[in-house]
Parts: sequence; C-alpha cells; structure tokens
Amino acid sequence: GENVEQHPSTLSVQEGDSAVIKCTYSDSASNYFPWYKQELGKRPQLIIDIRSNVGEKKDQRIAVTLNKTAKHFSLHITETQPEDSAVYFCAASQTGNTPLVFGKGTRLSVIA
Amino acid sequence: ETGVTQSPTHLIKTRGQQVTLRCSSQSGHNTVSWYQQALGQGPQFIFQYYREEENGRGNFPPRFSGLQFPNYSSELNVNALELDDSALYLCASSLDTEAFFGQGTRLTVV
Repeated sequence: GENVEQHPSTLSVQEGDSAVIKCTYSDSASNYFPWYKQELGKRPQLIIDIRSNVGEKKDQRIAVTLNKTAKHFSLHITETQPEDSAVYFCAASQTGNTPLVFGKGTRLSVIA
Repeated sequence: ETGVTQSPTHLIKTRGQQVTLRCSSQSGHNTVSWYQQALGQGPQFIFQYYREEENGRGNFPPRFSGLQFPNYSSELNVNALELDDSALYLCASSLDTEAFFGQGTRLTVV
C-alpha cells in the first residue's frame, strides 16, 4: 500500500521568510496530492492540491511542486505570517475520491 | 465551513463500552470516509462508503464498523472500546475531487 513520509516534523521561521515542507510517496499509482492545514482543535482544511498531470500549482503565497519520477512533492509558503502557524499535512491518493494516505504532519511556527 | 457536521463533538466512554459517531456529509457528496487521528499524528484511514456500500477499508479490526444511509450521512461504530481508541475521529465527504472534513469527534476512553 501507499506510504507517505513528511519532513520536517517541526519548522520555525521568522515572519516574512519562506517555509518549505517536503513529502515522498511510494505508490506510483497515486495521482492526487492535497495539502491540509490543521489549527489546534480544528478540522483539517484543504489549502492546495495538485494532480499528477501538473508539475506546479500556485495560489497567492502558497505553491506546490510535484516530481512524479522521484515520487516527491513539496509545499512552499512565501512571506510567512503568524497566522500561517499550524500543523500541515500532505496526503496522497489514486484519485480525488479514493482514501487519502497522510504524512505525519509538520508543525510550522512563524515567529513575529 | 465545509458543510460536513459530526456529532457529538466530545465523548467520554469506559473501556469495553460501545460508541456510535455520526456524520452528515456535504450536500450532494456521495462518498464518506472515516479517519482516526491520534494526538500528534496524521489521520489514519478507517473505511470509506460510496452510495451505501463499503468501498475500502484500512488496517482497523472488525470491531470498527460503519453504515451509510440513503441521504449519504454515515455512522462509525466501535465495539469493545480500548484505551488506544482515544483519538479524534474525522469524517470527510467528497464527490469527485477534494475531501472536506468535519470538525471531528474527540473520543476519550477511560
């Protein structure tokens, strides 16, 4: 089955700096890669996703890149703000409607 | 908000008891998935229902069971509760693409 590894487990950055979180996956059949942000005590919220036919996707300060050959994908947050502080999860699935396999999460702290 | 609601939000049960958690999916979403999130971990897939049929199951024992109803709402039942079942239980509904999560039920087994 699919296995998703996520690094780092914790990340501290100064406000305004960039943050990068990396994930690798094992199943070459995976084609859908979402990223979720989870604030303390709240539900995971989808912040961006990418499919295997696309190499990069941007949404304002957030971007995701995908390298299918190497089986890794990354989340990039630029101009970080204190409200970006949360736990971020990457996930993988074969399609958008099949079960998600999650990484263990990255706790991002943005220091003002 | 996602339109996915779960009840109850918090629950305390005794080891050996049974529990039922409920999820109302977003309007029009025919697929519901359940996940268990232990403290400090990522969500782990329990099972998925598509149009009232189980459509996939993760590595959880048979005492974890579920149902999906004609209106696509869903239940998660756990029998013979163990201390390690203490976790946040999340349901997610989807139609074709992204999954939308409910706020979760925090289950504590004592």
